[in-house]
Amino acid sequence: RKEVEQDPGPFNVPEGATVAFNCTYSNSASQSFFWYRQDCRKEPKLLMSVYSSGNEDGRFTAQLNRASQYISLLIRDSKLSDSATYLCVVGSTGGGNKLTFGTGTQLKVEL
Amino acid sequence: NAGVMQNPRHLVRRRGQEARLRCSPMKGHSHVYWYRQLPEEGLKFMVYLQKENIIDESGMPKERFSAEFPKEGPSILRIQQVVRGDSAAYFCASSPRQGANTEAFFGQGTRLTVV
Repeated sequence: RKEVEQDPGPFNVPEGATVAFNCTYSNSASQSFFWYRQDCRKEPKLLMSVYSSGNEDGRFTAQLNRASQYISLLIRDSKLSDSATYLCVVGSTGGGNKLTFGTGTQLKVEL
Repeated sequence: NAGVMQNPRHLVRRRGQEARLRCSPMKGHSHVYWYRQLPEEGLKFMVYLQKENIIDESGMPKERFSAEFPKEGPSILRIQQVVRGDSAAYFCASSPRQGANTEAFFGQGTRLTVV
């Protein structure tokens, strides 16, 4: 079983749609959780951290369920510029801040 | 404040040659991580270093790969006797400290092509 698993994708959605990404992780000792965005052939960039209480940043909402070891990202009113690969990332601090990445879900927002 | 700087951006090596990838972390960051991304795959952790120390190298292949982060200068990922399977994007990330919810900032990566 992979340490971090995501929907395989790709997701093709029309502009303005709401899209949800799901992720599960296997290490119950994980302490930090993030969503990163990666554009084609570019470096990953932090989209948002994910907290147990849930957090929102504009059109983006992230949720964490520690009991189920489940993380989600919701994008509302999607824009063409949201097209990218979304990476679920889990951090552990045993000996550092090692980040484990999911393989990512590709999103294509279309006119 | 410049971001994480990696060079070269693109590197072509023939099979059997050595590849040296350099990473200068953000100013004030003493924690460096190297990741590899094979075509159509996710990022895989390779190694975590602090100044002059390797903290976690659990993702490093046992042979041909080494990493260092000297007291002065950039972190270096060295691949000896490269093979075609080493072709990938190698990303370096840095953070100011360890601990939960510490963001890691990524460089633009070095794309290694072995011919």
